[in-house]
Amino acid sequence: GESVGLHLPTLSVQEGDNSIINCAYSNSASDYFIWYKQESGKGPQFIIDIRSNMDKRQGQRVTVLLNKTVKHLSLQIAATQPGDSAVYFCAETVSGGSNYKLTFGKGTLLTVNP
Amino acid sequence: DADVTQTPRNRITKTGKRIMLECSQTKGHDRMYWYRQDPGLGLRLIYYSFDVKDINKGEISDGYSVSRQAQAKFSLSLESAIPNQTALYFCATSDPGLAGRSYNEQFFGPGTRLTVL
Repeated sequence: GESVGLHLPTLSVQEGDNSIINCAYSNSASDYFIWYKQESGKGPQFIIDIRSNMDKRQGQRVTVLLNKTVKHLSLQIAATQPGDSAVYFCAETVSGGSNYKLTFGKGTLLTVNP
Repeated sequence: DADVTQTPRNRITKTGKRIMLECSQTKGHDRMYWYRQDPGLGLRLIYYSFDVKDINKGEISDGYSVSRQAQAKFSLSLESAIPNQTALYFCATSDPGLAGRSYNEQFFGPGTRLTVL
């Protein structure tokens, strides 16, 4: 999920396949993570979140895996559909008190081929 | 029905002009944020506000100012626009007491595409 220069990492899959999008986070103190989906021309939208006391959380067709040992987060999308085509961002934060700050990853562009 | 709205959606302006981007929300959230998004760089925080009397700088506040006119309104100004402020700008809100979710979940507007020539 890290970008090189100004180019987003990209993932291209066939409709119906499963997709896995990866994210390496930076702060070992982060204890709450969110995946956002951003479609073309729109703002980011919440997909799923996970707290650091969990290593897996499932939603509808999506699963987030958290590996705190290597500071790695992944988003799995089952049976990927054309409507899943978007840029996906992970975000990390340290929860508690007056904390405000979400730190976003650079994003991964998912393209679903029909 | 958009909970977080931004105006304008697109704007082209010239170097040196003053520009204001506006954000309104009907979510009743106290916290509001302004981000800019550049290709390959993700979202970077410009300013944030926890309530009407609270304004804080984010990581890239130079060249920008904000005004929190009411709980529902948070404006971003570029006093003298320059070409490297060409970007996509997003407003977001969050609610520290949001049941069932972390108070850090942020809800984004549709964005304003700003081009400075």
